Amino acid sequence: DAKTTQPPSMDCAEGRAANLPCNHSTISGNEYVYWYRQIHSQGPQYIIHGLKNNETNEMASLIITEDRKSSTLILPHATLRDTAVYYCIVRGLLGSGYSTLTFGKGTMLLVSP
Amino acid sequence: GAVVSQHPSWVICKSGTSVKIECRSLDFQATTMFWYRQFPKQSLMLMATSNEGSKATYEQGVEKDKFLINHASLTLSTLTVTSAHPEDSSFYICSARPPRQGGKDTQYFGPGTRLTVL
Repeated sequence: DAKTTQPPSMDCAEGRAANLPCNHSTISGNEYVYWYRQIHSQGPQYIIHGLKNNETNEMASLIITEDRKSSTLILPHATLRDTAVYYCIVRGLLGSGYSTLTFGKGTMLLVSP
Repeated sequence: GAVVSQHPSWVICKSGTSVKIECRSLDFQATTMFWYRQFPKQSLMLMATSNEGSKATYEQGVEKDKFLINHASLTLSTLTVTSAHPEDSSFYICSARPPRQGGKDTQYFGPGTRLTVL
């Protein structure tokens, strides 16, 4: 799977949009971009995933550049409960299924009042 | 939907004893479950992949005789840490994967089990 690069930490004011970048310059055509987050002392939580089109769900939006070498996770109105480590993961198809999730160091997002 | 539970949520045991951790998918069947370990201030590390009815596949460096995994049904997988030692103290997290739907292949994670070995 392609390697991802994320900033180690980011700050965001409550109520503002949080834009978390991820670089995956070696991504290949059949690899998806997945985002998970982990609140302290809890298991990771799935947020969103995409292949090449922008995606939106009730939690967030995912913007993938046209060349697919980078993406941005957007939390439109961050709340204090969004404080967590956010992981950007690239996964591809292997044989009968997807590759396993490999967690990097992620971005620690701190949302402040 | 897609809830995964773990039991216990925390456990303290003496060195040399064995500890069993359960992982259940509550509202879906999971043909594959995964076990991760997370040390303080570090990321999750995959320990093993467990398919229902077959032997688990362990990642390099994980001792299969020390970390026994049983995936006896489509909703339950167990991890047994045998002869636990203080260095096994960690946060153990399981995840379960429902059958793939189209292009979506998502793992749902349990809340984790904090193991402390004295």
